[in-house]
Amino acid sequence: DVKVTQSSRYLVKRTGEKVFLECVQDMDHENMFWYRQDPGLGLRLIYFSYDVKMKEKGDIPEGYSVSREKKERFSLILESASTNQTSMYLCASSTLSGGAWNEQFFGPGTRLTVL
Amino acid sequence: SQQGEEDPQALSIQEGENATMNCSYKTSINNLQWYRQNSGRGLVHLILIRSNEREKHSGRLRVTLDTSKKSSSLLITASRAADTASYFCATVPFSGSARQLTFGSGTQLTVLP
Repeated sequence: DVKVTQSSRYLVKRTGEKVFLECVQDMDHENMFWYRQDPGLGLRLIYFSYDVKMKEKGDIPEGYSVSREKKERFSLILESASTNQTSMYLCASSTLSGGAWNEQFFGPGTRLTVL
Repeated sequence: SQQGEEDPQALSIQEGENATMNCSYKTSINNLQWYRQNSGRGLVHLILIRSNEREKHSGRLRVTLDTSKKSSSLLITASRAADTASYFCATVPFSGSARQLTFGSGTQLTVLP
């Protein structure tokens, strides 16, 4: 059974803290993604990675960074958490066919609250 | 603005009835994908339909795609209480950055027992 796991389901942090969200996939996918999901705004892409040590900005990268040291692991880092980063964070992995994305496999999500 | 827009935003039906959700988009696509999200959980992929396909089935799910109208519909037949969830369409464009898998804001389906 294919799986994408995320390090925490719920996380509470304080403003200014450094936050690490980790994601692991066991499907040997080259491509991994971080989204945030907010009511009424749908899913918005923060960053994605198409190979180890490679990354590309999504639509809302400000305030975030990422790390991909191993193929199966993709980390999202909030350098200095702020209250407007309170959100549901979703990790996904996928493959490409002919330059277009196939289905994405999602983790269960991390609900982050920044106080 | 978002590429895929679902309609309606919310839908409430009785168990056993059919549920239809629609997705409209603006630019040419390579494929369109439907996902389900149970409350507070991650998204689960349901069906991917490519631009050269008009209809796909998976169990009680039927997806249609009309590229001339730039729209897709998801039909759930004989709905069950367990189908209660949010449903999202996501579009993959023909050209442009490969990062552009764009999700709509979803339809919240409630199936009443």
